[in-house]
Amino acid sequence: RKEVEQDPGPFNVPEGATVAFNCTYSNSASQSFFWYRQDCRKEPKLLMSVYSSGNEDGRFTAQLNRASQYISLLIRDSKLSDSATYLCVVINSGGYQKVTFGTGTKLQVIP
Amino acid sequence: DTEVTQTPKHLVMGMTNKKSLKCEQHMGHRAMYWYKQKAKKPPELMFVYSYEKLSINESVPSRFSPECPNSSLLNLHLHALQPEDSALYLCASSQDSATGQGGYGYTFGSGTRLTVV
Repeated sequence: RKEVEQDPGPFNVPEGATVAFNCTYSNSASQSFFWYRQDCRKEPKLLMSVYSSGNEDGRFTAQLNRASQYISLLIRDSKLSDSATYLCVVINSGGYQKVTFGTGTKLQVIP
Repeated sequence: DTEVTQTPKHLVMGMTNKKSLKCEQHMGHRAMYWYKQKAKKPPELMFVYSYEKLSINESVPSRFSPECPNSSLLNLHLHALQPEDSALYLCASSQDSATGQGGYGYTFGSGTRLTVV
């Protein structure tokens, strides 16, 4: 089992739709979690951190489920500009901070 | 605008060339990173510098040589690369390698797209 797994997609959704992605991780000792967004041929950009209590930033909601070892990202009222690849990042401790990127989920919002 | 600046943005080099990638940040971050990203793949960690000292080398071949001249600068020296080394090379920084990631994540530069011919 991969350390961090994501459905690669693509998820093709109409404008205005709500879409959710999950990211599962295998190490129960994982400490920190993030969602990054990467546009084609650009660098990853931090979208949001993921907190145990869940957190919201505008149309974006991130949640962590430690029992089932997954994080989720919910995007409401999708915009064309949301089209990108969404990478989850999981950080483990143990000697040094090991950072693992998921392979990314591609989202295409269609007019 | 990104707060981590990488130069050059594009680089084409021959297998016998020596070149350097540069990265600069002025956010006071004390951890800096080099990542390599191939098309349609996630970034792969290469090196971590923490307080200007190399703390992690993810078994990267010696043809890649990192250098951290000061807390704001990070270089990656390239020599005798292979065509399979062609990729997007990303620099990132965080407050520090231990606690900075707890809530702040990384800031990535826009990358250097390297082609080895």
